[in-house]
Amino acid sequence: DIVMTQSPDSLAVSLGERATINCKSSQSVLYSSNNKNYLAWYQQKPGQPPKLLIYWASTRESGVPDRFSGSGSGTDFTLTISSLQAEDVAVYYCQQYYSTPLLTFGPGTKVDIK
Amino acid sequence: EVQLVESGGGLVQPGRSLRLSCAASGFTFDDYAMHWVRQAPGKGLEWVSGISWNSGSIGYADSVKGRFTISRDNAKNSLYLQMNSLRAEDTALYYCAKAKLTTVTTFFDYWGQGTLVTVSS
Repeated sequence: DIVMTQSPDSLAVSLGERATINCKSSQSVLYSSNNKNYLAWYQQKPGQPPKLLIYWASTRESGVPDRFSGSGSGTDFTLTISSLQAEDVAVYYCQQYYSTPLLTFGPGTKVDIK
Repeated sequence: EVQLVESGGGLVQPGRSLRLSCAASGFTFDDYAMHWVRQAPGKGLEWVSGISWNSGSIGYADSVKGRFTISRDNAKNSLYLQMNSLRAEDTALYYCAKAKLTTVTTFFDYWGQGTLVTVSS
């Protein structure tokens, strides 16, 4: 199974500042035949289901603000919130969908306002 | 508008069974794989099981393999999860999630609100 890890476990960022979350997979999730990274990011606010933010490691889902961006390849990935807003307080999860059919999530990173 | 509505959760004793349902609307149900993802109280997300559009490809997490069975009825736009031999560690909010892709190996663009399963004597 592919194991996903995230760092940090939590972080507090001032409004308008940058927040950076890291995700690492135990093996590469880059599929060589199409050069795509099988990695997604979700945002989960308290009492709500997760919301898809990013897929293919860097493609923003429709309607997601452009302050959210994803980067990375192979085993190391980053979700960046360029200018943190109050409504971005949430837990963020990465998920690999490379391994058929065993899908795995990272443990989550909690983002708060400093 | 895509809607996923789970039902069937509740309090059940260890070793007993429960069947979850997910009613889907607002999209062509038989075009997409569907999945169950759970979240224990205060914990992270755990993928449970997924099924392809035609039920030809099915997968389970190791933690539920042999105890849970996923199925779907495309005529009824419904997804199911039969849960047998339930354990305390199966206590969680169970989400129904729609695949963004047509394959089982996918990510999820829509989620239901979840149905709570509590396994306790």
